[in-house]
Amino acid sequence: ILNVEQSPQSLHVQEGDSTNFTCSFPSSNFYALHWYRWETAKSPEALFVMTLNGDEKKKGRISATLNTKEGYSYLYIKGSQPEDSATYLCAFPSGGSNYKLTFGKGTLLTVNP
Amino acid sequence: GAVVSQHPSRVICKSGTSVKIECRSLDFQATTMFWYRQFPKQSLMLMATSNEGSKATYEQGVEKDKFLINHASLTLSTLTVTSAHPEDSSFYICSARDVGLAGGHYEQYFGPGTRLTVT
Repeated sequence: ILNVEQSPQSLHVQEGDSTNFTCSFPSSNFYALHWYRWETAKSPEALFVMTLNGDEKKKGRISATLNTKEGYSYLYIKGSQPEDSATYLCAFPSGGSNYKLTFGKGTLLTVNP
Repeated sequence: GAVVSQHPSRVICKSGTSVKIECRSLDFQATTMFWYRQFPKQSLMLMATSNEGSKATYEQGVEKDKFLINHASLTLSTLTVTSAHPEDSSFYICSARDVGLAGGHYEQYFGPGTRLTVT
């Protein structure tokens, strides 16, 4: 069973604050790491697929980094806005050609106006 | 991005009845779909992999006779919870796997989920 851990479990920040949270995963047999954003009552939305050690990807005010040697990825949000409030999930694929995802429990971000 | 719909979004049923949940990929064809379940404060747990035109592959501990999966077309997979009991109350969510990304990776696009309550 793969162990994918996310911390913190929840986070409250003020509008305008920058924030970050962590996903840790098995460092052996690394293949890729996925980040998703999940707003209440909506579908999880794909943010990034991280594949190479040292990768940094950016989408607007959200960016992610990857360290495959030590088994962690950080997600950063710069200048948080209330619309960033969501649960952020990371997922680690396995299972060969079926590419099955093992998810962390997520970080629930609340941005207060 | 690709769109996946799921229906119904919420269902309440009596113990002993069966409930069918539909998952549709609206703007792409998906040979592989996945069904997940989420209990409160837990992560999404994969229940089964649904392959178009063949039998689903169930994860360890998931009863295939209880959770019937049918993937009869490239855009539709269904999950039927048979003889539902209160312990089956949960959030069920599907995803559809798109064509491969560069490097042999795949993206999964999710439906919005179904909240099942069994009374």
